[in-house]
Amino acid sequence: ETGVTQTPRHLVMGMTNKKSLKCEQHLGHNAMYWYKQSAKKPLELMFVYNFKEQTENNSVPSRFSPECPNSSHLFLHLHTLQPEDSALYLCASANLAGVTDTQYFGPGTRLTVL
Amino acid sequence: GNSVTQMEGPVTLSEEAFLTINCTYTATGYPSLFWYVQYPGEGLQLLLKATKADDKGSNKGFEATYRKETTSFHLEKGSVQVSDSAVYFCALLSTGNQFYFGTGTSLTVIP
Repeated sequence: ETGVTQTPRHLVMGMTNKKSLKCEQHLGHNAMYWYKQSAKKPLELMFVYNFKEQTENNSVPSRFSPECPNSSHLFLHLHTLQPEDSALYLCASANLAGVTDTQYFGPGTRLTVL
Repeated sequence: GNSVTQMEGPVTLSEEAFLTINCTYTATGYPSLFWYVQYPGEGLQLLLKATKADDKGSNKGFEATYRKETTSFHLEKGSVQVSDSAVYFCALLSTGNQFYFGTGTSLTVIP
């Protein structure tokens, strides 16, 4: 399934920069997610949007700011990040209305904070 | 609460060996269960799923059976290939529409 795209695929930024990650899904899903994947750590759920409404924020620092302008697009705005924020950021979408709900993931953005 | 526990890795096997990756879960109600695979440099891809007890999910030679009595969803493959080298994640979708993932098991298959 290749219905979830993420840009950029790789991003290097300094601690004072402001950048945004973009996710787009072409599957007609109604829920979108941001995950952080760090080496040797479990997948961390960051934010959940259901029908464009944020339904979950797992104690994520305010230097990460999500935006969901419509059900197909999801952004993660980044500012004043720390080196420990370097990770693979994964976007996913799902249709939380049927019996066989499944999450579909994008390829991720590999973020390096210098 | 809901949670997923899967066997620690890394797992290293020779080509054509039998693979089992254990996964057990804790959940209220009747969750759906999934196995995802992540190849190097990529996101997670759905490998297989099962939505009710005794269902068997299968794909690309991999199988897993939803066992409610043992709260397990072990992943198996009869003969692994080098191309199966990846990280495998067990996951559940709770009746409250929340996804829970295991920590992942790294598999390396050597020729």
